[in-house]
Amino acid sequence: DGGITQSPKYLFRKEGQNVTLSCEQNLNHDAMYWYRQDPGQGLRLIYYSQIVNDFQKGDIAEGYSVSREKKESFPLTVTSAQKNPTAFYLCASSIGDGPTRQETQYFGPGTRLLVL
Amino acid sequence: GEDVEQSLFLSVREGDSSVINCTYTDSSSTYLYWYKQEPGAGLQLLTYIFSNMDMKQDQRLTVLLNKKDKHLSLRIADTQTGDSAIYFCAESIADSGAGSYQLTFGKGTKLSVIP
Repeated sequence: DGGITQSPKYLFRKEGQNVTLSCEQNLNHDAMYWYRQDPGQGLRLIYYSQIVNDFQKGDIAEGYSVSREKKESFPLTVTSAQKNPTAFYLCASSIGDGPTRQETQYFGPGTRLLVL
Repeated sequence: GEDVEQSLFLSVREGDSSVINCTYTDSSSTYLYWYKQEPGAGLQLLTYIFSNMDMKQDQRLTVLLNKKDKHLSLRIADTQTGDSAIYFCAESIADSGAGSYQLTFGKGTKLSVIP
């Protein structure tokens, strides 16, 4: 069964704490993405990665960090510098191959982060 | 930044057709997408249309594209209560600096289906 998994479903963060959200895909996709969704808002891009060991900042990267050591995995760390982290976080992946770059993105089920 | 615009709410009766509208920003967008999000879930890809097409039909879903007006619509025929969800329009825009394409999303239209 191919797909994207995110864990945990719910995550609680204390003040001054870093937390890491997991995203794994077995679709053999090259590109992976992290989005933040706030109530009544669209999705805003945090970071994306086109290939292993490479990633770029999106529109709202401040207070977040990522790594891409494996093709299947793209974890997101919400650092203590992110002052308003409460949101729904969505991971996505796309094939991302060749010059035509069909960029259809497929999404995981999301992680809801809450601040205690 | 530029915005993809959608109306926030739509209410229809079960069995009627629903039409969700979207205005996008970039005339060079290659693909335009519709995603569905149910409460507490991720986004599910419904359909997409390539920019050289005017229409695409897939079972109960019909996508219409007016490139001149940069207007995209999603029609759901015979709307069911299970269609109640938030529908997002997205356009694919080239990120010239990174040599890649990114998706820009609207804020979503919440469709409520009245039994």
